[in-house]
Amino acid sequence: AQTVTQSQPEMSVQEAETVTLSCTYDTSESDYYLFWYKQPPSRQMILVIRQEAYKQQNATENRFSVNFQKAAKSFSLKISDSQLGDAAMYFCAYRAGYGGSQGNLIFGKGTKLSVKP
Amino acid sequence: EPEVTQTPSHQVTQMGQEVILRCVPISNHLYFYWYRQILGQKVEFLVSFYNNEISEKSEIFDDQFSVERPDGSNFTLKIRSTKLEDSAMYFCASTRTSGLVDVVGETQYFGPGTRLLVL
Repeated sequence: AQTVTQSQPEMSVQEAETVTLSCTYDTSESDYYLFWYKQPPSRQMILVIRQEAYKQQNATENRFSVNFQKAAKSFSLKISDSQLGDAAMYFCAYRAGYGGSQGNLIFGKGTKLSVKP
Repeated sequence: EPEVTQTPSHQVTQMGQEVILRCVPISNHLYFYWYRQILGQKVEFLVSFYNNEISEKSEIFDDQFSVERPDGSNFTLKIRSTKLEDSAMYFCASTRTSGLVDVVGETQYFGPGTRLLVL
């Protein structure tokens, strides 16, 4: 069974600095997708960034980028130039590719990110 | 931008009572999901739904649970006889596709959740 592990329950970063959130996963499949979701306090989860496993190039979305290491089954999120609005719970999630499950996401436990002014 | 909505935001119920949690997925989405998160634990998949039937369900989704799309907009999760351990945040999600077309289409959009407390 696939699992997703986020080893950092809480992280803190100074405004304008860079922070990296860790995520590892376990799967025997070769085709899958990885996601980072952000959940601000009392708000819904929104997608931050996604990565297709077949792509070697790391995904980037403005200040957010990932370091995808397929062999190591690692998928870390880097937030550059951190802003106060980045404070949230961040969830790493895995989804099997087509032919696998019907599309349900498997989540890590989350990392609570605090941003200090 | 279209959003998934859920009602109520909070629900308190007595053990053994039935509850219905409601979700309105994004209008052109075809696949619907329910997840739950017990306080301090992982977000867990419950069930997926497509074309008016369950596509997949987890072992959590036992006979006490059911889902329904009673009309063209709502997607409901019913817990027939609530237990204390059903206390959790319940998230609804929807997606346009299921990986058959493109990754963008299969991004799951989540609602804000319903916090259920069973006393």
